[in-house]
Amino acid sequence: AQSVTQLDSQVPVFEEAPVELRCNYSSSVSVYLFWYVQYPNQGLQLLLKYLSGSTLVKGINGFEAEFNKSQTSFHLRKPSVHISDTAEYFCAVRGINTNAGKSTFGDGTTLTVKP
Amino acid sequence: NAGVTQTPKFRVLKTGQSMTLLCAQDMNHEYMYWYRQDPGMGLRLIHYSVGEGTTAKGEVPDGYNVSRLKKQNFLLGLESAAPSQTSVYFCASSYQTSSPEQFFGPGTRLTVL
Repeated sequence: AQSVTQLDSQVPVFEEAPVELRCNYSSSVSVYLFWYVQYPNQGLQLLLKYLSGSTLVKGINGFEAEFNKSQTSFHLRKPSVHISDTAEYFCAVRGINTNAGKSTFGDGTTLTVKP
Repeated sequence: NAGVTQTPKFRVLKTGQSMTLLCAQDMNHEYMYWYRQDPGMGLRLIHYSVGEGTTAKGEVPDGYNVSRLKKQNFLLGLESAAPSQTSVYFCASSYQTSSPEQFFGPGTRLTVL
């Protein structure tokens, strides 16, 4: 079984400032890791994913995340945010070759970018 | 490609009424899922399917039933709606092996009075 903890439920930040959204996970098996973004009144869309290889993963819209196996973390970062980045962000984990492809999602972090 | 579509987008029910939510995907995905999203609770898995004709219970299956008669469609039914089922419902799909991420529909906002 897996679990995901997003350490911040809300993150307010000013435009053009850097931001980090934190995600820790636990699992008894090797995992894939994901960040999804949900804009108001829309479904979730994939921001980036870690499957294997380089621990630094780059995604869409200038976001990146770093997989840290020893700390079981997968924090999301962006060096300079825009107003349009205001959304809810979900971290998710999926066990490799287990659980019929089911993913476990965190409770979400609301990122609010202020002018 | 339309991706994952959901019908309807909005619905208001009275307690005790029934309804079916339809999810369709055109990506030939093997796996399909139904989630509900409630404020502060993230996404909770209701039911899922690993292929045509198969379904399984997720984290919060009570009060819901599902069917997957065709590979591209996944139906979620509420036999007797309750106010506790007021939520936003999302359907998702994914490949069995390649590209393990899930693709989500736009959601159905359901209110049960």
